[in-house]
Amino acid sequence: AQSVTQPDIHITVSEGASLELRCNYSYGATPYLFWYVQSPGQGLQLLLKYFSGDTLVQGIKGFEAEFKRSQSSFNLRKPSVHWSDAAEYFCAVGRTQGGKLIFGQGTELSVKP
Amino acid sequence: NAGVTQTPKFRVLKTGQSMTLLCAQDMNHEYMYWYRQDPGMGLRLIHYSVGEGTTAKGEVPDGYNVSRLKKQNFLLGLESAAPSQTSVYFCASSYSYYGYTFGSGTRLTVV
Repeated sequence: AQSVTQPDIHITVSEGASLELRCNYSYGATPYLFWYVQSPGQGLQLLLKYFSGDTLVQGIKGFEAEFKRSQSSFNLRKPSVHWSDAAEYFCAVGRTQGGKLIFGQGTELSVKP
Repeated sequence: NAGVTQTPKFRVLKTGQSMTLLCAQDMNHEYMYWYRQDPGMGLRLIHYSVGEGTTAKGEVPDGYNVSRLKKQNFLLGLESAAPSQTSVYFCASSYSYYGYTFGSGTRLTVV
């Protein structure tokens, strides 16, 4: 079955520290992969996406993610976290008819001053 | 450019009442979706539409109905609300596979 797993429910990092959020997927074919961010009380905003080609993709707000086919992973990274990055982050996968996406459970990021 | 607009933003229903959530998009997107978000469960697809006049079931369709009479609108109906339908509902639209544009959500409480 198709699925997305975000192993970390909650992560706390210090401001200025580096960040890596994990995402693992189970999918029958090479999927399209996405990371979304949700600030409290808001909808989801697209951070970045991977369709094909270079496995390291750059997104908005200084985020990047790397697609590793052998590990079925698409981890999100940022070299230096800012307090405004505190939010919930969702990994999603899809390539099905109608553009349906399957979302992970989300990782809540807290940033310590 | 409004993007995706959901109405209402908040609603409290009594068990057994009915209501309709409206989603409107102004980007001429073919695909539209309704998700529900519950703590620890991410977003789960309720119903979706690949074009005007079409609808299809998602992962958790029971207790909900949808209609897409106009390309820009996607309605989600609850015929007889239950406490298990207390959730935050998100509408999204997309052009093929190029990522979704989300609305800001509807917080529904069923008492």
